[in-house]
Amino acid sequence: LAKTTQPISMDSYEGQEVNITCSHNNIATNDYITWYQQFPSQGPRFIIQGYKTKVTNEVASLFIPADRKSSTLSLPRVSLSDTAVYYCLVTSSGSARQLTFGSGTQLTVLP
Amino acid sequence: NAGVTQTPKFRILKIGQSMTLQCTQDMNHNYMYWYRQDPGMGLKLIYYSVGAGITDKGEVPNGYNVSRSTTEDFPLRLELAAPSQTSVYFCASTRDRANSPLHFGNGTRLTVT
Repeated sequence: LAKTTQPISMDSYEGQEVNITCSHNNIATNDYITWYQQFPSQGPRFIIQGYKTKVTNEVASLFIPADRKSSTLSLPRVSLSDTAVYYCLVTSSGSARQLTFGSGTQLTVLP
Repeated sequence: NAGVTQTPKFRILKIGQSMTLQCTQDMNHNYMYWYRQDPGMGLKLIYYSVGAGITDKGEVPNGYNVSRSTTEDFPLRLELAAPSQTSVYFCASTRDRANSPLHFGNGTRLTVT
């Protein structure tokens, strides 16, 4: 299982772009990188997923360099409602998939 | 489409009591998970299952038991509740594919006093 490392916390102001980087040095060839967002008292929810290069959806972009040892979640023009904990997870298919989360990154958006 | 449903939403237990947290999913997912989350902390994996009849321990299994008799249901049992088990419990499910995201329930907030 690829272990992930993220910053514990980040602050930003409304309207700014926020980039959160996750390190996953031991990622395997068939692994995917998935990011989740969690608000207080709620379960995490899927934001974006990628395998390589760049992925973009209506919420965020995900940048993955060629060596895939890290990934960066980019949130354009954040608002107060983007204040949450963000987790990156590396997943692979297989018969025994023990999915453990890291500490996540607490993003606080200030007015 | 209900997704992952957890019951109850809230529960208060006395020390030594037992209870079962229910989790059911209607997406025909093979993989199911139980996590606990203490205040201000991340998610810790308690148990997981890769299919009916198969369960395995996660990071923090002590004090809990699980069973998986059907694809849909994955109940979590607390036999002798302790204050250290005060937490929010989340159930999740996914398919057996690397690019299949986790679907979480809304959680059960448990207080043991």
